[in-house]
Amino acid sequence: GAVVSQHPSWVICKSGTSVKIECRSLDFQATTMFWYRQFPKQSLMLMATSNEGSKATYEQGVEKDKFLINHASLTLSTLTVTSAHPEDSSFYICSARVKRKYQETQYFGPGTRLLVL
Amino acid sequence: SQQGEEDPQALSIQEGENATMNCSYKTSINNLQWYRQNSGRGLVHLILIRSNEREKHSGRLRVTLDTSKKSSSLLITASRAADTASYFCATDSGGTGGFKTIFGAGTRLFVKA
Repeated sequence: GAVVSQHPSWVICKSGTSVKIECRSLDFQATTMFWYRQFPKQSLMLMATSNEGSKATYEQGVEKDKFLINHASLTLSTLTVTSAHPEDSSFYICSARVKRKYQETQYFGPGTRLLVL
Repeated sequence: SQQGEEDPQALSIQEGENATMNCSYKTSINNLQWYRQNSGRGLVHLILIRSNEREKHSGRLRVTLDTSKKSSSLLITASRAADTASYFCATDSGGTGGFKTIFGAGTRLFVKA
């Protein structure tokens, strides 16, 4: 089956630093990638939709200058949490969408746990 | 809120009993999916039901979809302790402007051995 990887799987950083999270589709080219955030005991909240070669579309309430998304190729999207603060500590999950045989299918990465001290 | 509602928020049952979780959503959808998530882990895709389908089965899972009521249910029969997890419904919607998958609030299921 299709695989989406994320790197790193977990990261601890000091407040004020920036953290980059990578999302890769390993065996397919993704038409679109998505970034979600999940706080403990809560659901996944869509942060932004990312298309290769174009600017990401952010959901209402998500600061685009805080969460920088770069979609450099059809297999790689990165999320950079700039000037991270403790309230940014969360589980970040990406997903990649691919169209196969007239059907769109979405695959989720394993998530990256961020802890900001 | 972008999320749909799920009920119950938490469910505790004995092993062997059936577990039913419900999901309601707000917009027109292309399909609806159910996912499972163990604590602190990634998502596991369980089942997808299309907007023109009313019921679907997969092993011990049974999913129904009522588009007129904008609701879905997930039934797990003969539950096992290993079924303990959070369960989320997720709706796919959109068209040429772009697809989105939006998650419900989730139901935390605890199956007691």
